[in-house]
Amino acid sequence: SQQGEEDPQALSIQEGENATMNCSYKTSINNLQWYRQNSGRGLVHLILIRSNEREKHSGRLRVTLDTSKKSSSLLITASRAADTASYFCATHLTGTASKLTFGTGTRLQVTL
Amino acid sequence: NAGVMQNPRHLVRRRGQEARLRCSPMKGHSHVYWYRQLPEEGLKFMVYLQKENIIDESGMPKERFSAEFPKEGPSILRIQQVVRGDSAAYFCASSPTVTEAFFGQGTRLTVV
Repeated sequence: SQQGEEDPQALSIQEGENATMNCSYKTSINNLQWYRQNSGRGLVHLILIRSNEREKHSGRLRVTLDTSKKSSSLLITASRAADTASYFCATHLTGTASKLTFGTGTRLQVTL
Repeated sequence: NAGVMQNPRHLVRRRGQEARLRCSPMKGHSHVYWYRQLPEEGLKFMVYLQKENIIDESGMPKERFSAEFPKEGPSILRIQQVVRGDSAAYFCASSPTVTEAFFGQGTRLTVV
């Protein structure tokens, strides 16, 4: 079944460093979204990028989308301990009436 | 405007019992989705509902699981005769359109 794949599965960095997470998918999409999930909590929507967009920014977040390679990346600049969480990409597939298909996530650990 | 409200947050059921999970969407949102998350995994789509209608239930197990979103009141995900494998976090999301979804904090079901 269609599923986003995040890479790496886990990432550990020090506060102040940048964190880059990648997501690949298999079929055509309407949009791709990134979510954050703190341990044991719900998901927080971070950013949505549409299939006709190549890059979007939101605060310390930068998302790119390459539809030719069917991949996206999430960059968190100047990371903070509070950024420690799991990050998921989710694709809104073309013609699927809005359901999101999630990847397995990248677990980010930011240490002081 | 309160966010998506799910209750209970934690639910413990013995094998064979019924589990009822409730979701109140954000005000003005007519689209409701249910997802299931197993430990260390991403979210898996279960069902998409609009008021009084099931739009897409392609992710629902064929037996024991049902969902509804009545004209009045919250959306209900019902699991009959629960088994250990049903233990998971169940997330509800709502949206005003078919793009960005807002997630609740989830219900963590434990079957003992």
